[in-house]
Amino acid sequence: AQSVSQHNHHVILSEAASLELGCNYSYGGTVNLFWYVQYPGQHLQLLLKYFSGDPLVKGIKGFEAEFIKSKFSFNLRKPSVQWSDTAEYFCAVTSSGTYKYIFGTGTRLKVLA
Amino acid sequence: DVKVTQSSRYLVKRTGEKVFLECVQDMDHENMFWYRQDPGLGLRLIYFSYDVKMKEKGDIPEGYSVSREKKERFSLILESASTNQTSMYLCASSLSHPGDYGYTFGSGTRLTVV
Repeated sequence: AQSVSQHNHHVILSEAASLELGCNYSYGGTVNLFWYVQYPGQHLQLLLKYFSGDPLVKGIKGFEAEFIKSKFSFNLRKPSVQWSDTAEYFCAVTSSGTYKYIFGTGTRLKVLA
Repeated sequence: DVKVTQSSRYLVKRTGEKVFLECVQDMDHENMFWYRQDPGLGLRLIYFSYDVKMKEKGDIPEGYSVSREKKERFSLILESASTNQTSMYLCASSLSHPGDYGYTFGSGTRLTVV
């Protein structure tokens, strides 16, 4: 069955700490991968995406993610988090030409000032 | 700035009421979507529409219907609201297949059914 797993449901970090949020997927065929972020009281917005090419992709606000095909993973990273990174992060998988995503259950990140 | 606008931020409705959630986008996007977001369950697709008057069921269509009479507007209808439909409802649009372009989301409507 198609699925996305985000194993960390809640993460608490201090400012300047490094961040890595896990995302593993089960999906047949060629995948497109996304990370979305939802800041408190705001709408979901696209953080970064991977379609093909360089497996290390960079997004907004200093975030990056690495696609590791052999591990079916697309982990999100940031070297040094800020208080303003407090948000909920969603990983999603889909493929080209499709209308449907498979979303993970989300990871709530709290950054302590 | 492109926008997806949901008419209500918060709604409280009674069990059995017919509820309309409205969504408008100003980007001339072909495709529009309704999701519900629940803690621990992530986002689940209810219905989507790839053209005016066209609709497709998502993963959890039971208890819901939709209407798309104009390209820019996509309505979600709860025919007879129940308490298990208390949730955050998110509208989204995409230029083409969201697998290629990603979604633009609205701010959400938090619906409470009492």
